[in-house]
Amino acid sequence: DAKTTQPNSMESNEEEPVHLPCNHSTISGTDYIHWYRQLPSQGPEYVIHGLTSNVNNRMASLAIAEDRKSSTLILHRATLRDAAVYYCILRGVTSYNQGGKLIFGQGTELSVKP
Amino acid sequence: KAGVTQTPRYLIKTRGQQVTLSCSPISGHRSVSWYQQTPGQGLQFLFEYFSETQRNKGNFPGRFSGRQFSNSRSEMNVSTLELGDSALYLCASSRTGTTNEKLFFGSGTQLSVL
Repeated sequence: DAKTTQPNSMESNEEEPVHLPCNHSTISGTDYIHWYRQLPSQGPEYVIHGLTSNVNNRMASLAIAEDRKSSTLILHRATLRDAAVYYCILRGVTSYNQGGKLIFGQGTELSVKP
Repeated sequence: KAGVTQTPRYLIKTRGQQVTLSCSPISGHRSVSWYQQTPGQGLQFLFEYFSETQRNKGNFPGRFSGRQFSNSRSEMNVSTLELGDSALYLCASSRTGTTNEKLFFGSGTQLSVL
């Protein structure tokens, strides 16, 4: 299984950028890197995903290392509503996260201080 | 566009009973997957259905079963309930479940087994 490693928790101050790291040293060439987050009392929510190039959307940016063994989710200006558990997940033929199957790790619990 | 709808939102059952949970995916989505979330085990994949066929299965006992209808709506059934089945049950949908797609999650059904 292609696995990911994330810090258990991180803290941020409101309105400051947040960089959430993820290591995936066993990633294969066809694995996509997905990020989801789960706010308290809600289902997980898609954040962003990418394959090789850095990606941006209205929620966040995803920076992927050149060797693809790590990636970083960037929240440009953290708000209190960004306090959540963030999951980094590999999806592809070799990661076994095929179809609608997602294997969630423990994720990173992000707290945001006002 | 309506999101993923799960019913009921809350459910209380007693040991030995059975329960059926329902999930209506986003219109046009043919993949529906189910997850169990508990404080101790986190988010765990149960199974996935695509075009009325089970495509992926997690490591859960046979008491947990599901099905998908021709309109892509899905139901999950747990028979002979145990105290340990108390959890938040989440479903997610996507168009086809390819690894480049994002999954959309419902708000879940909170099941309490007494």
